[in-house]
Amino acid sequence: DTAVSQTPKYLVTQMGNDKSIKCEQNLGHDTMYWYKQDSKKFLKIMFSYNNKELIINETVPNRFSPKSPDKAHLNLHINSLELGDSAVYFCASSQVMAGADSPLHFGNGTRLTVT
Amino acid sequence: AQSVTQPDIHITVSEGASLELRCNYSYGATPYLFWYVQSPGQGLQLLLKYFSGDTLVQGIKGFEAEFKRSQSSFNLRKPSVHWSDAAEYFCAVDNYGQNFVFGPGTRLSVLP
Repeated sequence: DTAVSQTPKYLVTQMGNDKSIKCEQNLGHDTMYWYKQDSKKFLKIMFSYNNKELIINETVPNRFSPKSPDKAHLNLHINSLELGDSAVYFCASSQVMAGADSPLHFGNGTRLTVT
Repeated sequence: AQSVTQPDIHITVSEGASLELRCNYSYGATPYLFWYVQSPGQGLQLLLKYFSGDTLVQGIKGFEAEFKRSQSSFNLRKPSVHWSDAAEYFCAVDNYGQNFVFGPGTRLSVLP
Protein backbone atom coordinates (compact mmCIF):
# COMPACT_ATOMS: atom_id res chain seq x y z
CA ASP A 1 0.00 0.00 0.00
CA THR A 2 2.84 2.33 -0.90
CA ALA A 3 1.58 5.90 -1.18
CA VAL A 4 3.98 7.28 -3.79
CA SER A 5 5.93 4.73 -5.76
CA GLN A 6 8.48 5.38 -8.45
CA THR A 7 10.40 3.02 -10.67
CA PRO A 8 13.13 2.16 -11.20
CA LYS A 9 15.00 2.69 -7.94
CA TYR A 10 18.35 2.71 -9.74
CA LEU A 11 19.09 3.64 -13.33
CA VAL A 12 22.54 3.40 -14.86
CA THR A 13 22.91 4.43 -18.48
CA GLN A 14 25.32 5.93 -20.96
CA MET A 15 25.45 9.45 -22.29
CA GLY A 16 23.15 10.10 -25.18
CA ASN A 17 20.56 7.51 -24.21
CA ASP A 18 16.89 8.21 -23.55
CA LYS A 19 15.30 6.96 -20.33
CA SER A 20 12.04 7.24 -18.40
CA ILE A 21 11.12 7.24 -14.73
CA LYS A 22 7.59 6.36 -13.69
CA CYS A 23 5.64 7.60 -10.69
CA GLU A 24 2.29 6.63 -9.29
CA GLN A 25 0.40 7.81 -6.20
CA ASN A 26 -2.58 6.11 -4.59
CA LEU A 27 -3.43 8.93 -2.20
CA GLY A 28 -6.05 10.54 -4.39
CA HIS A 29 -3.97 13.73 -4.56
CA ASP A 30 -4.52 16.34 -7.25
CA THR A 31 -0.95 17.60 -7.55
CA MET A 32 2.26 15.80 -8.42
CA TYR A 33 5.86 16.98 -8.65
CA TRP A 34 9.31 16.06 -9.81
CA TYR A 35 12.26 17.18 -7.71
CA LYS A 36 15.96 16.78 -8.44
CA GLN A 37 18.40 16.21 -5.59
CA ASP A 38 22.02 16.83 -6.47
CA SER A 39 25.13 15.33 -4.93
CA LYS A 40 25.07 17.96 -2.17
CA LYS A 41 21.52 16.94 -1.21
CA PHE A 42 20.07 20.18 -2.53
CA LEU A 43 16.44 19.72 -3.60
CA LYS A 44 15.09 21.70 -6.51
CA ILE A 45 11.67 21.53 -8.05
CA MET A 46 11.52 20.67 -11.73
CA PHE A 47 7.84 20.35 -12.57
CA SER A 48 4.44 20.24 -10.97
CA TYR A 49 1.15 19.06 -12.39
CA ASN A 50 -2.30 19.73 -11.04
CA ASN A 51 -5.02 17.43 -12.36
CA LYS A 52 -2.87 16.52 -15.37
CA GLU A 53 -2.16 20.17 -16.16
CA LEU A 54 1.38 21.53 -16.09
CA ILE A 55 1.63 24.25 -13.44
CA ILE A 56 5.30 24.74 -12.68
CA ASN A 57 8.06 24.29 -15.20
CA GLU A 58 11.30 25.54 -13.75
CA THR A 59 14.35 26.26 -15.85
CA VAL A 60 14.88 22.69 -16.86
CA PRO A 61 16.41 21.70 -20.23
CA ASN A 62 13.77 20.71 -22.74
CA ARG A 63 15.42 17.28 -22.87
CA PHE A 64 13.27 16.65 -19.79
CA SER A 65 9.62 16.05 -20.63
CA PRO A 66 7.03 15.20 -17.99
CA LYS A 67 3.84 13.40 -18.92
CA SER A 68 0.75 12.95 -16.80
CA PRO A 69 -1.71 10.47 -18.34
CA ASP A 70 -4.01 10.88 -15.32
CA LYS A 71 -3.78 12.60 -11.98
CA ALA A 72 -2.39 9.49 -10.29
CA HIS A 73 0.60 9.22 -12.60
CA LEU A 74 3.44 11.53 -13.52
CA ASN A 75 6.27 10.16 -15.63
CA LEU A 76 9.56 11.81 -16.52
CA HIS A 77 11.24 11.19 -19.83
CA ILE A 78 14.80 12.33 -20.41
CA ASN A 79 16.34 12.54 -23.89
CA SER A 80 20.02 12.60 -24.77
CA LEU A 81 21.24 12.05 -21.24
CA GLU A 82 24.28 14.02 -20.08
CA LEU A 83 26.74 13.45 -17.26
CA GLY A 84 25.25 16.38 -15.36
CA ASP A 85 21.88 14.66 -15.23
CA SER A 86 23.25 12.22 -12.65
CA ALA A 87 21.23 12.82 -9.49
CA VAL A 88 18.42 11.41 -7.41
CA TYR A 89 15.00 12.24 -8.81
CA PHE A 90 12.06 12.34 -6.43
CA CYS A 91 8.42 12.19 -7.28
CA ALA A 92 6.02 13.76 -4.79
CA SER A 93 2.34 14.50 -4.46
CA SER A 94 0.12 16.80 -2.43
CA GLN A 95 -3.61 17.01 -1.99
CA VAL A 96 -3.87 20.45 -3.48
CA MET A 97 -1.40 23.05 -4.74
CA ALA A 98 -1.13 25.04 -1.54
CA GLY A 99 -1.82 25.01 2.14
CA ALA A 100 -0.33 23.62 5.29
CA ASP A 101 -2.78 20.76 5.26
CA SER A 102 -1.35 19.78 1.94
CA PRO A 103 2.24 18.74 2.66
CA LEU A 104 4.31 16.84 0.14
CA HIS A 105 4.44 13.04 0.17
CA PHE A 106 7.58 11.67 -1.43
CA GLY A 107 8.53 8.53 -3.25
CA ASN A 108 11.81 6.81 -2.37
CA GLY A 109 13.67 8.29 -5.28
CA THR A 110 15.38 7.11 -8.45
CA ARG A 111 19.16 7.30 -8.47
CA LEU A 112 20.21 8.08 -12.03
CA THR A 113 23.84 7.57 -12.96
CA VAL A 114 25.01 8.63 -16.41
CA THR A 115 28.36 7.25 -17.53
CA ALA B 1 15.48 37.38 -2.42
CA GLN B 2 13.19 34.72 -0.98
CA SER B 3 15.16 31.91 0.60
CA VAL B 4 15.31 29.22 3.25
CA THR B 5 18.57 28.82 5.11
CA GLN B 6 19.87 26.15 7.41
CA PRO B 7 23.13 27.51 8.84
CA ASP B 8 24.49 24.15 9.98
CA ILE B 9 25.62 21.78 7.26
CA HIS B 10 26.54 18.99 9.65
CA ILE B 11 25.86 18.48 13.35
CA THR B 12 27.14 15.68 15.57
CA VAL B 13 25.55 14.90 18.92
CA SER B 14 25.86 12.06 21.41
CA GLU B 15 22.99 9.68 21.86
CA GLY B 16 20.73 10.95 24.63
CA ALA B 17 21.79 14.57 24.16
CA SER B 18 19.39 17.32 23.17
CA LEU B 19 19.23 18.63 19.61
CA GLU B 20 18.35 21.88 17.93
CA LEU B 21 18.47 22.36 14.16
CA ARG B 22 18.17 25.89 12.88
CA CYS B 23 16.05 27.19 10.03
CA ASN B 24 15.50 30.76 8.86
CA TYR B 25 13.39 32.05 6.00
CA SER B 26 13.09 35.34 4.22
CA TYR B 27 9.62 35.94 2.86
CA GLY B 28 7.40 38.97 3.06
CA ALA B 29 4.73 37.20 5.06
CA THR B 30 4.76 34.08 7.16
CA PRO B 31 4.65 31.11 4.83
CA TYR B 32 3.61 27.63 5.78
CA LEU B 33 6.58 25.89 7.40
CA PHE B 34 7.66 22.26 7.44
CA TRP B 35 10.42 19.96 8.58
CA TYR B 36 11.22 16.80 6.65
CA VAL B 37 13.67 14.00 7.41
CA GLN B 38 15.51 11.89 4.86
CA SER B 39 17.10 8.64 5.97
CA PRO B 40 19.86 7.20 3.76
CA GLY B 41 18.46 5.84 0.50
CA GLN B 42 14.95 6.94 1.35
CA GLY B 43 12.53 9.62 0.34
CA LEU B 44 11.58 12.54 2.55
CA GLN B 45 9.17 12.05 5.44
CA LEU B 46 7.19 14.88 7.02
CA LEU B 47 8.09 15.47 10.67
CA LEU B 48 5.83 18.42 11.43
CA LYS B 49 4.23 21.54 10.01
CA TYR B 50 3.16 25.00 11.09
CA PHE B 51 0.58 27.29 9.54
CA SER B 52 -1.00 29.29 12.37
CA GLY B 53 -1.92 29.21 16.04
CA ASP B 54 0.33 27.81 18.74
CA THR B 55 3.91 28.61 17.82
CA LEU B 56 5.19 25.37 19.32
CA VAL B 57 4.22 22.39 17.19
CA GLN B 58 4.66 18.74 17.95
CA GLY B 59 5.63 16.20 15.36
CA ILE B 60 6.39 12.54 14.97
CA LYS B 61 9.33 10.70 16.54
CA GLY B 62 9.43 13.06 19.52
CA PHE B 63 10.36 16.16 17.51
CA GLU B 64 8.99 19.65 18.05
CA ALA B 65 9.57 22.99 16.38
CA GLU B 66 9.04 26.56 17.47
CA PHE B 67 8.04 29.37 15.15
CA LYS B 68 9.45 32.79 16.06
CA ARG B 69 8.08 35.51 13.84
CA SER B 70 10.49 38.18 15.12
CA GLN B 71 13.46 36.03 14.10
CA SER B 72 11.90 34.49 10.96
CA SER B 73 12.93 31.15 12.40
CA PHE B 74 11.46 27.70 12.71
CA ASN B 75 13.95 25.63 14.68
CA LEU B 76 13.58 21.91 15.19
CA ARG B 77 14.25 20.37 18.60
CA LYS B 78 14.38 17.01 20.29
CA PRO B 79 15.15 16.58 24.01
CA SER B 80 16.95 13.24 23.69
CA VAL B 81 18.41 11.99 20.42
CA HIS B 82 18.37 8.32 19.46
CA TRP B 83 20.88 6.65 17.13
CA SER B 84 18.08 6.11 14.61
CA ASP B 85 17.67 9.89 14.27
CA ALA B 86 20.85 10.07 12.20
CA ALA B 87 19.65 11.44 8.86
CA GLU B 88 19.40 14.55 6.71
CA TYR B 89 16.90 17.16 7.87
CA PHE B 90 15.27 19.69 5.59
CA CYS B 91 13.34 22.79 6.47
CA ALA B 92 10.82 23.84 3.82
CA VAL B 93 8.30 26.55 3.11
CA ASP B 94 5.14 26.57 1.06
CA ASN B 95 5.11 29.96 -0.52
CA TYR B 96 1.34 30.30 -0.73
CA GLY B 97 0.94 27.78 -3.47
CA GLN B 98 3.81 28.94 -5.63
CA ASN B 99 5.84 25.92 -4.73
CA PHE B 100 7.66 24.22 -1.91
CA VAL B 101 11.14 25.61 -1.33
CA PHE B 102 13.61 23.52 0.60
CA GLY B 103 16.57 24.61 2.64
CA PRO B 104 19.97 23.06 1.88
CA GLY B 105 19.62 20.46 4.63
CA THR B 106 21.47 19.62 7.85
CA ARG B 107 23.14 16.24 8.24
CA LEU B 108 22.80 14.82 11.74
CA SER B 109 25.29 12.28 13.03
CA VAL B 110 24.73 10.53 16.36
CA LEU B 111 27.60 9.19 18.46
CA PRO B 112 26.99 6.08 20.57
